Amino acid sequence: DGGITQSPKYLFRKEGQNVTLSCEQNLNHDAMYWYRQDPGQGLRLIYYSQIVNDFQKGDIAEGYSVSREKKESFPLTVTSAQKNPTAFYLCASSKGQGEAWSTEAFFGQGTRLTVV
Amino acid sequence: AQSVSQHNHHVILSEAASLELGCNYSYGGTVNLFWYVQYPGQHLQLLLKYFSGDPLVKGIKGFEAEFIKSKFSFNLRKPSVQWSDTAEYFCAVNADNAGNMLTFGGGTRLMVKP
Repeated sequence: DGGITQSPKYLFRKEGQNVTLSCEQNLNHDAMYWYRQDPGQGLRLIYYSQIVNDFQKGDIAEGYSVSREKKESFPLTVTSAQKNPTAFYLCASSKGQGEAWSTEAFFGQGTRLTVV
Repeated sequence: AQSVSQHNHHVILSEAASLELGCNYSYGGTVNLFWYVQYPGQHLQLLLKYFSGDPLVKGIKGFEAEFIKSKFSFNLRKPSVQWSDTAEYFCAVNADNAGNMLTFGGGTRLMVKP
């Protein structure tokens, strides 16, 4: 059953701690993305990766870091430098550059991070 | 950079009412357009998409959207909503100068009263 798996579904973090959110896909997609969803603000892009071992900052990358060592995996670390980390985080993937249809993104179920 | 505007943040309708959700984008070049839906507790799912051809596209669950290039719009419509359409709806745009990046609107939260 192909798809995107995010874990955990809920995550609690103490202030000052780093935390890593997992995202795995078995769709054989080249491109992967991390979005942050806040009420009324839609989805804002944190980081994206078009290919293994390469990634780019999105609109709100400050306080976050990523790695792309494997095609299937794109973990996101929320660092203590992120001032307002409580949010819903969505991972997505797409086929990659090429035909127009390859821009369609598929999403995971999300991780809700709460800082306590 | 392109931007996407969804003017209705919250919409409340009764069952059987007609729905139209607005979406406008700022980019003047070639675009691919999408509407995604997020039902309560579920992940984002694709409702419909426009790449080229007929500007009136039909999606799942009776939804359709019309691309009007002159108005930079891609409004979502449904003739008769159901209680099960209660969800948040997101418009997204991919511009031809942005690789395969999607820019999302702020979302519209739809509540359908039974």
